[in-house]
Amino acid sequence: DQQVKQNSPSLSVQEGRISILNCDYTNSMFDYFLWYKKYPAEGPTFLISISSIKDKNEDGRFTVFLNKSAKHLSLHIVPSQPGDSAVYFCAASGSSGSARQLTFGSGTQLTVLP
Amino acid sequence: GAGVSQTPSNKVTEKGKYVELRCDPISGHTALYWYRQSLGQGPEFLIYFQGTGAADDSGLPNDRFFAVRPEGSVSTLKIQRTERGDSAVYLCASSPLPGLAGVTQYFGPGTRLLVL
Repeated sequence: DQQVKQNSPSLSVQEGRISILNCDYTNSMFDYFLWYKKYPAEGPTFLISISSIKDKNEDGRFTVFLNKSAKHLSLHIVPSQPGDSAVYFCAASGSSGSARQLTFGSGTQLTVLP
Repeated sequence: GAGVSQTPSNKVTEKGKYVELRCDPISGHTALYWYRQSLGQGPEFLIYFQGTGAADDSGLPNDRFFAVRPEGSVSTLKIQRTERGDSAVYLCASSPLPGLAGVTQYFGPGTRLLVL
């Protein structure tokens, strides 16, 4: 059973527009959420995170929103740039015992068209 | 500063052989993680070290897989009697604070293992 789900395998957006990537989770013990970006043949690169005590975190062009009641988070990229084209992974972790591991979604391939 | 490094970057081996994959974490990071990523999927947790000890090895798929971190820095993931299904990218990550929830993990570039 997938505890973190990214239901859209791919997304195409025009340069300058907003990109919205979505992620759902099922485990209510998760209390920290992260987004990673991955280029081919490279490891995942940390983008932005959010604690469950917040509902929004912003860093430059990137904003993550968390809706705990819906167990849903999203990553907004505004404005989108061609260099943002990559696979984006949503990840979650808990706060006790073995829960420090990250549980990842299957990723969304974002393509920003010039 | 230097990030997480992993060697080799690529490894091709034959079914039944033994392989070792190395991870050098960011200096000063006491927590170290191994993940495995298969094609089209997100990374899956294998094992977590806090210092020298394996705090959680619940993700290791079977007893052919073993990892060590003898001095609390470099770690080696060891796979015995490799099988074709072991082919994947093996990722290592480290984090700066041990045992705390919500600490960001920083990943290396991975080792691409192909078992023929």
